[in-house]
Amino acid sequence: GEDVEQSLFLSVREGDSSVINCTYTDSSSTYLYWYKQEPGAGLQLLTYIFSNMDMKQDQRLTVLLNKKDKHLSLRIADTQTGDSAIYFCAVQTGANNLFFGTGTRLTVIP
Amino acid sequence: GAVVSQHPSWVICKSGTSVKIECRSLDFQATTMFWYRQFPKQSLMLMATSNEGSKATYEQGVEKDKFLINHASLTLSTLTVTSAHPEDSSFYICSATGGVNSPLHFGNGTRLTVT
Repeated sequence: GEDVEQSLFLSVREGDSSVINCTYTDSSSTYLYWYKQEPGAGLQLLTYIFSNMDMKQDQRLTVLLNKKDKHLSLRIADTQTGDSAIYFCAVQTGANNLFFGTGTRLTVIP
Repeated sequence: GAVVSQHPSWVICKSGTSVKIECRSLDFQATTMFWYRQFPKQSLMLMATSNEGSKATYEQGVEKDKFLINHASLTLSTLTVTSAHPEDSSFYICSATGGVNSPLHFGNGTRLTVT
């Protein structure tokens, strides 16, 4: 199976940029996702990137994919207190298997 | 874009009763649907994979008689938690895909509380 790893915690000051990192092991990954989970709520899909892309930008979110290093990152510009949540990286292989990281808890300090 | 609807969003039931959770793909035909469970402060755990018209494939450690999965059509899969107990209380999430190498779309999840 696929191993997907994330650091567990990240703290940033309001207004700064946040960068959440994710590494994976299966080079045959097709789609890579970032999800946000707020306390007591379900998973919210933030964005996803196809494996033949290096970067995808969507408003304050920038996803970078380094296939050679099997490294995925999510950058949140101008981080706000409402961005405090757990962020999950998920990696899909061609057989429709989806592997999640353990999530990174982002805390935004006012 | 593609949408997956999951219903109900939350349910409270008494121990010993059964609960059915529905997962629908609203604007695409889902050849494969997945069911996940999330334990507190942990990532999602894949419970089973279901393909339309065939029996679900359960992950190791998941009781197939406890968690009944039906994928009777290309737009609907159901998960029935039979004879629910408090330890079944959890967050259940479904996802669906239109085929190999297509992205997965997730439902918003169902929070089950068994009293």
